[in-house]
Amino acid sequence: ETGVTQSPTHLIKTRGQQVTLRCSSQSGHNTVSWYQQALGQGPQFIFQYYREEENGRGNFPPRFSGLQFPNYSSELNVNALELDDSALYLCASRRGPDSYEQYFGPGTRLTVT
Amino acid sequence: GQQLNQSPQSMFIQEGEDVSMNCTSSSIFNTWLWYKQEPGEGPVLLIALYKAGELTSNGRLTAQFGITRKDSFLNISASIPSDVGIYFCAGHSGAGSYQLTFGKGTKLSVIP
Repeated sequence: ETGVTQSPTHLIKTRGQQVTLRCSSQSGHNTVSWYQQALGQGPQFIFQYYREEENGRGNFPPRFSGLQFPNYSSELNVNALELDDSALYLCASRRGPDSYEQYFGPGTRLTVT
Repeated sequence: GQQLNQSPQSMFIQEGEDVSMNCTSSSIFNTWLWYKQEPGEGPVLLIALYKAGELTSNGRLTAQFGITRKDSFLNISASIPSDVGIYFCAGHSGAGSYQLTFGKGTKLSVIP
């Protein structure tokens, strides 16, 4: 069984730029969530995708957007990057929206300068 | 919004000792999960709890879902060096999008 994978591992961007992060869900999982983890903090929920649609969102501005593809993989896009966007971005997948057990990928470390 | 308070924030223990940490919430959760995160990695699911009062074990780890549904506890018995990491509690309220709300974590250091 293949676990959750994310790319790239690390990324450095300049304030104002845009970034796209990618996630492949664990096999058999059709629901993907994205989390932001600042240094020294727990992960914060950004949004969730199921059946290629966003069906839940945390307290993040619209410049955080996403996509889910027919193979259940997902992208997180962040526009107009700010210094505070520097964080570890985690993707988590699960068997379905009614399943509570979420399995995380290794994350993408984004640094905004 | 919902917040989870984890304690202690950090702990240093001798190898072989037992460890206890807990997580409290200002509101009720229907599901509690415990994760472990090591440097450069994503959180790894350790234990999931679904019913108030439930006690579940995974090897040397035991977790309990508090009766009030506002707290949970994790115990690690006979700690070993590879137990080092940050332990997070997370809860589902059962409403809305099934997002996980995380605590700030308990950093565990094991002295050989």
